[in-house]
Amino acid sequence: AQRVTQPEKLLSVFKGAPVELKCNYSYSGSPELFWYVQYSRQRLQLLLRHISRESIKGFTADLNKGETSFHLKKPFAQEEDSAMYYCAFAGGGSSNTGKLIFGQGTTLQVKP
Amino acid sequence: DAGVTQSPTHLIKTRGQHVTLRCSPISGHKSVSWYQQVLGQGPQFIFQYYEKEERGRGNFPDRFSARQFPNYSSELNVNALLLGDSALYLCASSFATARNEQFFGPGTRLTVL
Repeated sequence: AQRVTQPEKLLSVFKGAPVELKCNYSYSGSPELFWYVQYSRQRLQLLLRHISRESIKGFTADLNKGETSFHLKKPFAQEEDSAMYYCAFAGGGSSNTGKLIFGQGTTLQVKP
Repeated sequence: DAGVTQSPTHLIKTRGQHVTLRCSPISGHKSVSWYQQVLGQGPQFIFQYYEKEERGRGNFPDRFSARQFPNYSSELNVNALLLGDSALYLCASSFATARNEQFFGPGTRLTVL
């Protein structure tokens, strides 16, 4: 079954510390992976997608097909990074209908 | 553009009732998707519509139905409400389907008593 796993419900770090939010997926094909973020009292918004290979707000994520992972990383956390982060997956190739499968989310708390 | 809009913001219903949730996509977007987000969990896919046709359906009972109108707005209907239907219902719009970024609305908070 297609599934996304985010093992940590809460990740708490101090400002300036490195951050890694973990995401693993189960899918036998070539997936499209995304990270969505939801700041307090704001709507869910796309942070980055693996096919664009961009760095957004200092965050990067690399798709590792061998480990079926798409971890989100930032070298130096900022207080404004505090938010809920969701990893999401869409089946790639011809099976990609745009349907997103989300993980349970990880709350990132950056302490001053 | 105000982005994706949803109405109402909040809704309280009792078990057995019916509810209709509405979504207006971003201008120019032709696809609308619906997600259910239960407290403490990630959004779960319910439906996707593109050009007024259903393109995808998640693992939800037949009590859930949806449609898309010629102006690309959409309605999600839930019949015979259960307590477990209490959730945040999110609408997302995109220009097309695959490989198109989905933009989410603020959601409708449904409480079933």
